Amino acid sequence: AQSVTQPDIHITVSEGASLELRCNYSYGATPYLFWYVQSPGQGLQLLLKYFSGDTLVQGIKGFEAEFKRSQSSFNLRKPSVHWSDAAEYFCAVAGTGTASKLTFGTGTRLQVTL
Amino acid sequence: GAVVSQHPSWVICKSGTSVKIECRSLDFQATTMFWYRQFPKQSLMLMATSNEGSKATYEQGVEKDKFLINHASLTLSTLTVTSAHPEDSSFYICSASGRVSYNEQFFGPGTRLTVL
Repeated sequence: AQSVTQPDIHITVSEGASLELRCNYSYGATPYLFWYVQSPGQGLQLLLKYFSGDTLVQGIKGFEAEFKRSQSSFNLRKPSVHWSDAAEYFCAVAGTGTASKLTFGTGTRLQVTL
Repeated sequence: GAVVSQHPSWVICKSGTSVKIECRSLDFQATTMFWYRQFPKQSLMLMATSNEGSKATYEQGVEKDKFLINHASLTLSTLTVTSAHPEDSSFYICSASGRVSYNEQFFGPGTRLTVL
């Protein structure tokens, strides 16, 4: 069964500082990987996804993530955080079949201090 | 493109009543829709997967008689919480997947259900 681990429940960074959110997955083959962001009381917005190809993926809002097969990781990064980035971030994994189920990590809450 | 809507965005009901939540794909045909439940400060838990015209597949531990899912068309799925109780209060989120991108789900904005 597939699973996702986000080891950091809560992270606080200063505005302008760099950010890295960790994500480790477990899946028998090469998975499809996603990062979503959720603001309070809102649905999920897709930041970026990895299906195949280049292991460094660029997303919206200046985010990027790197797929490292050897470490089973898909960490999310941003070079300079803005106060509006404060939200909950979820990493998710899906199998490679059509319309496969998503398994979410427990989420990382990002707080940005001014 | 690939917009999913949910209605209502929030609902308050009395214990024992039933509540229906609609999930619509506005600009694409959703061959598969998913229903998730999210408790405060927690992750999303998949409740069920539904394919258009077929019975929903429920995850282990989800009561199919309590959470009725209908996916009657390629643009509409409904979740009915029957005989709702306070413990059913939660944030319900749907997502849809279709020919626009088979392996990507597009999420609705969620429905906040409060059962008094």
